[in-house]
Amino acid sequence: NAGVTQTPKFQVLKTGQSMTLQCAQDMNHEYMSWYRQDPGMGLRLIHYSVGAGITDQGEVPNGYNVSRSTTEDFPLRLLSAAPSQTSVYFCASSYLDRQGMNTEAFFGQGTRLTVV
Amino acid sequence: AQKVTQAQTEISVVEKEDVTLDCVYETRDTTYYLFWYKQPPSGELVFLIRRNSFDEQNEISGRYSWNFQKSTSSFNFTITASQVVDSAVYFCALTFSGGYNKLIFGAGTRLAVHP
Repeated sequence: NAGVTQTPKFQVLKTGQSMTLQCAQDMNHEYMSWYRQDPGMGLRLIHYSVGAGITDQGEVPNGYNVSRSTTEDFPLRLLSAAPSQTSVYFCASSYLDRQGMNTEAFFGQGTRLTVV
Repeated sequence: AQKVTQAQTEISVVEKEDVTLDCVYETRDTTYYLFWYKQPPSGELVFLIRRNSFDEQNEISGRYSWNFQKSTSSFNFTITASQVVDSAVYFCALTFSGGYNKLIFGAGTRLAVHP
């Protein structure tokens, strides 16, 4: 199993450009989420999804869109890149176990994005 | 409101020393989950442990041990006989039952183990 796959690994954008960060998981997990990691701030939740067709905002959603048309894929769209969106982005998936308890999140390798 | 505090920004030790990483959390939920993740210099996030709020047993895994105390809202992580390969950033995280596994992370503690 590949687990959670993110592409690209690195990206440089100019201010105002748009792009999509791809995330795919092959574990049939119901929950998927996007986080950004900034120095000294840990990871912060951008958007999350509890299943195909269902998404919601996290802590820092402004400037980002998501959709979830399939269980496997959860792309993150930057609508008009700004220098403040320079960060490392992580996609994660997880599920509830047979006892209904939260499992750990499985993370992708991350995408390092620089907006100039 | 939910919050995770890792007050230690950076810790530096010499190999073979024991080191404890602190994690203090805040939540009003009665059922919640705590996690520790390791982020080595290569950047990926490595899962270390999950603890449920109703299970206060401490856990030991090799050189790693975790002390969960609900009375002080703490979930501390100890590395015994540290090694250079333990050098990483360590994150403590919290989620709650029914929260769709939305994780709240602490700011992380950077551990440097010197030979």
